[in-house]
Amino acid sequence: IAGITQAPTSQILAAGRRMTLRCTQDMRHNAMYWYRQDLGLGLRLIHYSNTAGTTGKGEVPDGYSVSRANTDDFPLTLASAVPSQTSVYFCASSELAGGATDTQYFGPGTRLTVL
Amino acid sequence: GQNIDQPTEMTATEGAIVQINCTYQTSGFNGLFWYQQHAGEAPTFLSYNVLDGLEEKGRFSSFLSRSKGYSYLLLKELQMKDSASYLCAVGDSNYQLIWGAGTKLIIKP
Repeated sequence: IAGITQAPTSQILAAGRRMTLRCTQDMRHNAMYWYRQDLGLGLRLIHYSNTAGTTGKGEVPDGYSVSRANTDDFPLTLASAVPSQTSVYFCASSELAGGATDTQYFGPGTRLTVL
Repeated sequence: GQNIDQPTEMTATEGAIVQINCTYQTSGFNGLFWYQQHAGEAPTFLSYNVLDGLEEKGRFSSFLSRSKGYSYLLLKELQMKDSASYLCAVGDSNYQLIWGAGTKLIIKP
């Protein structure tokens, strides 16, 4: 079934540890996004990629890094996790770049707890 | 700053009609999306409006007034499975989506 997969589903992490959240899509979409979702707040864009080989910063990029080596994969890395990074992380993709005008398809999310 | 406002929570009765409002103030406008998100799941696309007026899709309709910075999502013939959060999102001048916090809709029998 075509779509987006994320791993892990959930993770408890000690503060200061490094963590990579994985995201893979098989729809050959050009653009990919990482969001975090916190209670009472809207989805907030962390980083995005309009096409393989390019990335950009979103609203809340500090403490996170991404890479886009190919079309399908878009991993998100927390270099040194802090408790404020406790959140649900969603990866999304859209066929067209500039995701404001094209439907975004979301992965199932990763629930991350930093202690 | 950029802002999207939606009611936090609404309650409606099965079989009834409910209207969920969204007002926005953004730098530029490149369309407005509505997404549905069931608890513990990913958001899924419902509708997209870029021109003023009403877009109808089955039991769901979405309305946009760009001059008023206003949209609503209308759900008819409510079913228990419609219990979910409804997210409003606006494309800004940087072609990024600005998301509202979502409206949790509770359907009662």
